[in-house]
Amino acid sequence: KQEVTQIPAALSVPEGENLVLNCSFTDSAIYNLQWFRQDPGKGLTSLLLIQSSQREQTSGRLNASLDKSSGRSTLYIAASQPGDSATYLCAVIVGGFKTIFGAGTRLFVKA
Amino acid sequence: ETGVTQTPRHLVMGMTNKKSLKCEQHLGHNAMYWYKQSAKKPLELMFVYSLEERVENNSVPSRFSPECPNSSHLFLHLHTLQPEDSALYLCASSQSRGLAGGREQYFGPGTRLTVT
Repeated sequence: KQEVTQIPAALSVPEGENLVLNCSFTDSAIYNLQWFRQDPGKGLTSLLLIQSSQREQTSGRLNASLDKSSGRSTLYIAASQPGDSATYLCAVIVGGFKTIFGAGTRLFVKA
Repeated sequence: ETGVTQTPRHLVMGMTNKKSLKCEQHLGHNAMYWYKQSAKKPLELMFVYSLEERVENNSVPSRFSPECPNSSHLFLHLHTLQPEDSALYLCASSQSRGLAGGREQYFGPGTRLTVT
C-alpha cells in the first residue's frame, strides 16, 4: 500500500531564507508526483509536476526533484517571502488515476 | 469563468436532507475528481471519472453518489449524511490520455460542507 509522508509537519523561517520541503513515498512505481500549495480554507494551487521519467522541474524560485529509487522528492524554495506562507502538499499518482496525498508541511515565513 | 469552479462554496445540511455539489471545468480536460479534506487528515480521493466513465471509487459510502454527465461537469449527490461527513469537498480535473501534461491536476476552491 502506497504511503506518502511529508517532513517537517510545520516550519517557520525568516524572510529571505532558502528552504527544503521533503516528501517520501513507499512504492517507487509511480506515474508522476505533483506539488501543490494550499492557503487556509482554499483549494489547491498546482506548483510543479514531475513525471516518472524526469528528475526535476523548475518554476521561478521553486525547484522540485524526484528520486524514484529512494522514494523521495524535495521542493526547494529560494529566497522565501511572506507570501510563500501556506501549506505545501505532495501527491503521487500510482497508475491510472489513483492519487495519494501527504499530510502537508505548514510553512510560515516571517517578515 | 476560467479554471475549475465549484458551487455552492458553503453548505449546511441536516442529516435527512438531500443536496448536490456541482463542479465545472473550463480547461478542456476529460478527467474529473472528487476529494474529501477533513481536519487533520490528508486529502482522500473519492471518485474519478475519465471520459465520463467512473474509473476510481475508493470505498466511498453509498450516501455519496457521483454523476458525470459530460467531460466538463461533475456532481456529487448527498443524502442522509452523518456529522463526520463535514469537510471541505474539492473537485479537480486533468487530461486523461497520453503523457501530455502528465495528468497534472487543477483544483477548484472547494465546498465547505457542514452536516448538523
